[in-house]
Amino acid sequence: SAVISQKPSRDICQRGTSLTIQCQVDSQVTMMFWYRQQPGQSLTLIATANQGSEATYESGFVIDKFPISRPNLTFSTLTVSNMSPEDSSIYLCSAGQRGELFFGEGSRLTVL
Amino acid sequence: GDSVTQMEGPVTLSEEAFLTINCTYTATGYPSLFWYVQYPGEGLQLLLKATKADDKGSNKGFEATYRKETTSFHLEKGSVQVSDSAVYFCALSGSNDYKLSFGAGTTVTVRA
Repeated sequence: SAVISQKPSRDICQRGTSLTIQCQVDSQVTMMFWYRQQPGQSLTLIATANQGSEATYESGFVIDKFPISRPNLTFSTLTVSNMSPEDSSIYLCSAGQRGELFFGEGSRLTVL
Repeated sequence: GDSVTQMEGPVTLSEEAFLTINCTYTATGYPSLFWYVQYPGEGLQLLLKATKADDKGSNKGFEATYRKETTSFHLEKGSVQVSDSAVYFCALSGSNDYKLSFGAGTTVTVRA
């Protein structure tokens, strides 16, 4: 299994600002992903964080809005840029391998 | 693309009742299937999984069988407890990648 730590766990942000979320895994993992869970909704995949190269984004998500880094096999960051109230969500980091993905507890962002 | 259709909730049950949450999928090849659970105030946890047709996943009294002929992975528990109150998500990962696609989630409330 893998233990995933995210920070911040929650934050209140002002419109137009940017926030970076960190994800730390307690072991080396092949795959890392970032998901968004809007209020009362299911999880939507934002991107796959690729170690040492640019992230792979899903349809509807772009690098300028959600830049992602993954410098090694245990760490990744997601930045939510130029935030608007529509970005208020829980952002979840996921890591593991095919057959089992583990999730962090999420970062709850509220944009005013 | 790959997708999951999950029974809509909310579902409210009495303790010791039988629970079924329907899940069907659309995918090419041979996906792996999962049920994740999100307890109130907690992160997403893997409940059970099945990686090939006719496999049965089980955990904490919950079961689900991978039925390729009906493209289904219904979750069942014979006697629910108050502590089973949570949101349940059906998910799949495709045969060629590691990404998880989630269903909409079903909120289950068990009353004493």
